[in-house]
Amino acid sequence: SAVISQKPSRDICQRGTSLTIQCQVDSQVTMMFWYRQQPGQSLTLIATANQGSEATYESGFVIDKFPISRPNLTFSTLTVSNMSPEDSSIYLCSVEDWEGAGYTFGSGTRLTVV
Amino acid sequence: RKEVEQDPGPFNVPEGATVAFNCTYSNSASQSFFWYRQDCRKEPKLLMSVYSSGNEDGRFTAQLNRASQYISLLIRDSKLSDSATYLCVVNGGNQAGTALIFGKGTTLSVSS
Repeated sequence: SAVISQKPSRDICQRGTSLTIQCQVDSQVTMMFWYRQQPGQSLTLIATANQGSEATYESGFVIDKFPISRPNLTFSTLTVSNMSPEDSSIYLCSVEDWEGAGYTFGSGTRLTVV
Repeated sequence: RKEVEQDPGPFNVPEGATVAFNCTYSNSASQSFFWYRQDCRKEPKLLMSVYSSGNEDGRFTAQLNRASQYISLLIRDSKLSDSATYLCVVNGGNQAGTALIFGKGTTLSVSS
């Protein structure tokens, strides 16, 4: 299965600032997915990132708040902009290993906004 | 109606017990089904894929009923190390690369 390196693993940020999270995959993948897991909740999809095109955002998530880059087939970043305490969550990236065989997740970024 | 619904839990069982988790999903176009395990403060990790014919991996058995849009996971001879949250997961459609939809998870606690 794919191996994903996600960083930072955790951060404590001041409100109003921005944090960029990076995911590096050890193989080329068409799509990368960004999820958020709020405390005590399951994972919610933020957006799907395709290389060479703009990311597709789910309802409730907008590009101005969560800009995404996908410069090549092995790398993506998610920025959490103008943070507030409500953005405190775990953010995870994910890729599909191969069709139907499951998805691999990065180790997650635990973000606390103070 | 929520897209993926699971037993509310938590399940507290003794070692050696058999425990079953149930899950229903609403998107009839979903083609891929999984059980993931998530340990505290860790990312989800694939436990097993779920196939229409049912599949077994050691003490774990997964079943899928497409007509009822129902998925189950059976854990036999529970171990302390099975304590975790189990996530029922389906893909969002019938195309490759479709993102996953997660249930809220069922917490299992196995005690000695």
